[in-house]
Amino acid sequence: AQKITQTQPGMFVQEKEAVTLDCTYDTSDPSYGLFWYKQPSSGEMIFLIYQGSYDQQNATEGRYSLNFQKARKSANLVISASQLGDSAMYFCAMREDFIRDDKIIFGKGTRLHILP
Amino acid sequence: DVKVTQSSRYLVKRTGEKVFLECVQDMDHENMFWYRQDPGLGLRLIYFSYDVKMKEKGDIPEGYSVSREKKERFSLILESASTNQTSMYLCASSPYRGPSYEQYFGPGTRLTVT
Repeated sequence: AQKITQTQPGMFVQEKEAVTLDCTYDTSDPSYGLFWYKQPSSGEMIFLIYQGSYDQQNATEGRYSLNFQKARKSANLVISASQLGDSAMYFCAMREDFIRDDKIIFGKGTRLHILP
Repeated sequence: DVKVTQSSRYLVKRTGEKVFLECVQDMDHENMFWYRQDPGLGLRLIYFSYDVKMKEKGDIPEGYSVSREKKERFSLILESASTNQTSMYLCASSPYRGPSYEQYFGPGTRLTVT
């Protein structure tokens, strides 16, 4: 079974609109972390935001916020006021703390296109 | 500034060749990782290491080996390259049990095996 599911292979959004990228995860570990990464066409992976499973508040970093719904095992990324430079591939990822090796499991990604 | 470098951005090799992909990090991180990225499949973990001379298999280790003789360097070896190993290879590092354990990535190596 997939540990990280991103159901939107691609999305088209008008510039300046808010964007929600979906991510659901599957774990029985009570302690885990959730990540979002951005990969522009140049190829480098850029860390955007992190949410720990015990964090009481949703994580925010500038225009990025993580809508964490623990009971639903959902960790959607919200980008406010989208910009052309947000066009990229976005990956949701999870680390399970029970496993000591600090591995991160990645979803298959969502390609976001921002339209002018 | 955090930095992970990979020896080549683009590489073209012939079937059967032995291929070395090098990754160096300057952040004194314990953990290092090799992934391959293919369209529609996301990132898949090949091997990782959480200490010098330590290595663990990831999800798709077949056809690959690794070497970590120094803390800052993690090498991926394709013993006998095949066309199905044509892919983007990404190296990453992270501190052991750091605050958020985020992984820092190198720029990637796009390998073509002909």
